Amino acid sequence: DARVTQTPRDKVTEMGQEVTMRCQPILGHNTVFWYRQTMMQGLELLAYFRNRAPLDDSGMPKDRFSAEMPDATLATLKIQPSEPRDSAVYFCASAGSGNTIYFGEGSWLTVV
Amino acid sequence: SQQGEEDPQALSIQEGENATMNCSYKTSINNLQWYRQNSGRGLVHLILIRSNEREKHSGRLRVTLDTSKKSSSLLITASRAADTASYFCATPTQGGSEKLVFGKGTKLTVNP
Repeated sequence: DARVTQTPRDKVTEMGQEVTMRCQPILGHNTVFWYRQTMMQGLELLAYFRNRAPLDDSGMPKDRFSAEMPDATLATLKIQPSEPRDSAVYFCASAGSGNTIYFGEGSWLTVV
Repeated sequence: SQQGEEDPQALSIQEGENATMNCSYKTSINNLQWYRQNSGRGLVHLILIRSNEREKHSGRLRVTLDTSKKSSSLLITASRAADTASYFCATPTQGGSEKLVFGKGTKLTVNP
């Protein structure tokens, strides 16, 4: 059963620490998205890649966030330094040739 | 930005009743999608309707699209307690773009 895999599932960290979230997209999917979900803002698109190239990261705070795809099976989202306002659920999702997006289970981040 | 908005924000019904959720969007699209999110989980794709379709069915789901009113509705018939979840509509940002923007969702509670 193909699925998007995200790690860690839960993360509690102190303000100022670096946080790295990892995602393995569905094999064969060439488009990868990072979304952030909060109660106030809902789902926000942070960045997305096609064929490992970043296409749009306009939703991402550039000073502290970075997103990369070192290879076709791994996407990373890094926050350095983390702040309490970064507390949210971070979803990775992937898509193949169709319009449907497949989401992972999310990384639940709490910055204290 | 082009964003769907769901209405109502929350809906509580009894098992067996029908649930109707609405979505309004702002600019022209070539498709609209509905997703479901169970508490603590990722989003799951339910159905996609194209701009040249007025109605689409999938099991107990019925989706309508009115492009003249820029609105869509999701009807769940004969609801079950297991349908309790949040439901989101999603629209492409620029007509046919793979980049989806999500509304804030309708939280549906089906009481047994």
